[in-house]
Amino acid sequence: AQKVTQAQTEISVVEKEDVTLDCVYETRDTTYYLFWYKQPPSGELVFLIRRNSFDEQNEISGRYSWNFQKSTSSFNFTITASQVVDSAVYFCALSEEYTGRRALTFGSGTRLQVQP
Amino acid sequence: DTGVSQDPRHKITKRGQNVTFRCDPISEHNRLYWYRQTLGQGPEFLTYFQNEAQLEKSRLLSDRFSAERPKGSFSTLEIQRTEQGDSAMYLCASSPRQGAGGNEKLFFGSGTQLSVL
Repeated sequence: AQKVTQAQTEISVVEKEDVTLDCVYETRDTTYYLFWYKQPPSGELVFLIRRNSFDEQNEISGRYSWNFQKSTSSFNFTITASQVVDSAVYFCALSEEYTGRRALTFGSGTRLQVQP
Repeated sequence: DTGVSQDPRHKITKRGQNVTFRCDPISEHNRLYWYRQTLGQGPEFLTYFQNEAQLEKSRLLSDRFSAERPKGSFSTLEIQRTEQGDSAMYLCASSPRQGAGGNEKLFFGSGTQLSVL
C-alpha cells in the first residue's frame, strides 16, 4: 500500500532563512509520481512540482528546490531565503502507475510559518 | 481560465439533513475529482470522473454519498443523512490530461467547508 509521511507538523522560521520540508514515501510500484502542493490560507491547493520515479535529477525553480532520493524514498523540498508569502501548508503526494488508479495519496502536511 | 469554482464555500447543517455541493471545473477539463480534507490532515480521495463517467470510487464514499457529473461539465456531491463525522472540507479538482495513470497536475478549487451540528 502506498503511504506518504511528513513528520514535521509545523515549522517556524524567520524571513530569509532557508527551510527544508521532509517527505518520505512508501510504494511497491516501480513507476510512480511524486508531487508537492501548497495550500495557502485561502484553501485551494496549488501545484508546485511533479517528478516521476525514473527521474532522480534534483530540480530548482527560483527559490524552490527539490531533492529526490530513491535510495531513502525521500522527496524533500527546500525554500531558500524564505519570505512571508511562503507561509502555507505544504503537502507531499504520491500516485502509482501500475494500479492505474488516479487517486493521489497525500501526506498530512507541514505548516510553514515565516515570521517577518 | 477562471479556475475551479465550488459552491457554497461554507455549509452548516444539522445532523440527519441532506446537503449538496457543486463544483464547476475549468472549462474543457475532462477529468474531475472530489477529495475530503479534515483538520490537520491531507486530502483524501473520494471519487473521480472522466467526462460524465464515474470511473473510480474510494471506500470512504459510503452509501450516503453520491456524486454526479451530468454532461461532463459541472459535478455535484450529495451527502444524505449527514453525520458529525462528515464535517470536513470537500475539495474539487480538475485536469485536462488524457492517458493512463495518475500523474497529471490537478487544479483545485477553494473547497466547501461542511459543519454538521
